Amino acid sequence: DTEVTQTPKHLVMGMTNKKSLKCEQHMGHRAMYWYKQKAKKPPELMFVYSYEKLSINESVPSRFSPECPNSSLLNLHLHALQPEDSALYLCASSQDWATADGYTFGSGTRLTVV
Amino acid sequence: GQQLNQSPQSMFIQEGEDVSMNCTSSSIFNTWLWYKQDPGEGPVLLIALYKAGELTSNGRLTAQFGITRKDSFLNISASIPSDVGIYFCAGIDNYGQNFVFGPGTRLSVLP
Repeated sequence: DTEVTQTPKHLVMGMTNKKSLKCEQHMGHRAMYWYKQKAKKPPELMFVYSYEKLSINESVPSRFSPECPNSSLLNLHLHALQPEDSALYLCASSQDWATADGYTFGSGTRLTVV
Repeated sequence: GQQLNQSPQSMFIQEGEDVSMNCTSSSIFNTWLWYKQDPGEGPVLLIALYKAGELTSNGRLTAQFGITRKDSFLNISASIPSDVGIYFCAGIDNYGQNFVFGPGTRLSVLP
């Protein structure tokens, strides 16, 4: 299995809703990442987990809450989002944080906040 | 922070033509990566470069890691319609802790 799987593929949520994005990989990668991508822009790093510990939080608002329950799973919990948070949310993983070995992206979750 | 520049920003080419795009930075990077992204999908890794001067091919794609470690180029030979998309370069710095994307080159292939 050489894939990063993200669910759901599309999500529409209201500003008062709570939802979660899920990411899963079974490549034995020890680093996992959340990115946010707006239209026609490159992905922007949000969070880095290395060996299931949060290593980087790029000043992301607290309405985004990451969680790494185990080495294969990465969640992003969403609460009280704003319309400007609508974007493609990408998960990625790599062998470890210090190298690009196997740096693989999922297909993303297209999030629309209404 | 570290930034990457890509040129051209966009290009329109005829099917069958060769394509060249590059990525530059004012900082040194230890690793260069080239990705292609189709609309609504995640970036897909095309080529990874780990050593200065390295030249690597993947089918019709060829990429090189610049000697100065501050640039990289990607060539596509004999373009086909499915080459359409956005091509991003990305660099990883010396410490392996900064993964930086370039702004992308949008490629359109005309039949």
